[in-house]
This record gives sequence, C-alpha cells and structure tokens, in this order.
Amino acid sequence: AQSVAQPEDQVNVAEGNPLTVKCTYSVSGNPYLFWYVQYPNRGLQFLLKYITGDNLVKGSYGFEAEFNKSQTSFHLKKPSALVSDSALYFCLAAGNKLTFGGGTRVLVKP
Amino acid sequence: DVKVTQSSRYLVKRTGEKVFLECVQDMDHENMFWYRQDPGLGLRLIYFSYDVKMKEKGDIPEGYSVSREKKERFSLILESASTNQTSMYLCASSLRGLAGDLHDTQYFGPGTRLTVL
Repeated sequence: AQSVAQPEDQVNVAEGNPLTVKCTYSVSGNPYLFWYVQYPNRGLQFLLKYITGDNLVKGSYGFEAEFNKSQTSFHLKKPSALVSDSALYFCLAAGNKLTFGGGTRVLVKP
Repeated sequence: DVKVTQSSRYLVKRTGEKVFLECVQDMDHENMFWYRQDPGLGLRLIYFSYDVKMKEKGDIPEGYSVSREKKERFSLILESASTNQTSMYLCASSLRGLAGDLHDTQYFGPGTRLTVL
C-alpha cells in the first residue's frame, strides 16, 4: 500500500530561523511529489513539485524542497521563516494514485 | 488564474438528508476531484472525474456519489448523510495529461465545512 508520512504534527520556529517540514513516501515507481500550503479557512495552494532532474526544487514564497531518492524523502525548506508562513503544509505523492500526508502545522513566532 | 469555486462555505444538515456539494472550475480542466479533509488524516480522495460523465472511485467512496454533466461542474452527493460524514470537503481540478494521468498540479477550492447533526 502506498503511504506518505509527515512525522511531525507541528513545527515551531522563530521568525528568521530556517524552517524544515519533513516528508517521506512509500510509493511504487517514480511519483511526482508536491507540496501544498493551507492557510486558515482556505483551500490548498500549490507551492512546488518535483518531476525529475535537479534534486533541489524551488517554489513559491521562497520555499524549496530537496528530493532524496535513496531515503525516499522530499523535505520542504525555507532559509528564513516569516510569521506569515504559519499554516498547514501537505506533502502529496502522485503516482498511479494520489496519496497525501497527514499534514504538518507550522507556527512561526515573532 | 485558475478559479475553483464551491457552492457553500458552511453547511449544516440532519442525519438522513440528501446533500449536494457543487464545484465549478473556470479553466477548462479535464480532471476534477473531491476530497475530504480530517485532522491528522490529511486529504483522502473520494472520487475523481477525467471527463464529462466519467468517474473513478478514490480511496473512500462509500456513502458518496458524484455527477459530472458539464465539463466545468462536478457535484458530490451524500445520498443519506450520517454524522461520520461531518468533515471539510475540498474540490480540485487539474489539466489532464495522457491517458488521464494524475500528475498535474491541482487547484483547490476554498472548501465546504459540512456538519451533520
């Protein structure tokens, strides 16, 4: 069975510090990998995706993600977090089916 | 910009009622999706549609049905609502790749928070 794990329910970080949100996947084949963000009372917004090629993917709002095939991971990163980055983040693996992680709440404190 | 709209932001229904959730997209996307979102469980796919009148079951189709009579509109139907269907429902759309693949970026609506009493 396919699965996507986001091992941390919540990540707390001080504004200006680096932010990392972890994602590992167990999906057959070579899935496309996505990160989405959800702000309160809103739908999900696309941040970035990995298809193939360079393992470092750059996306919206200064976010980037690092693909590691050997560790089957796709961690989301931002070098300097902002209070406005506080939101719920979801990892998605798209292979022959769609599998979302459970979500990680990010809280950036001033 | 792609816009996906959902008919209601909040909905309260009683057990046993028939419930319709409507979703409309304005970018001529071929794929449309219905998910439910529950804390700690992420998003779970209920149904998706890759063309008018075509549908595929997702991971949790039980208790739900869908209708796609026009390309831009995708409806989710709860035939007889139950309390365990209280949830946030999200609609999404995406461009279709070859053979209806699921790899394209999805664009989401704002969600409908449904409470079944």
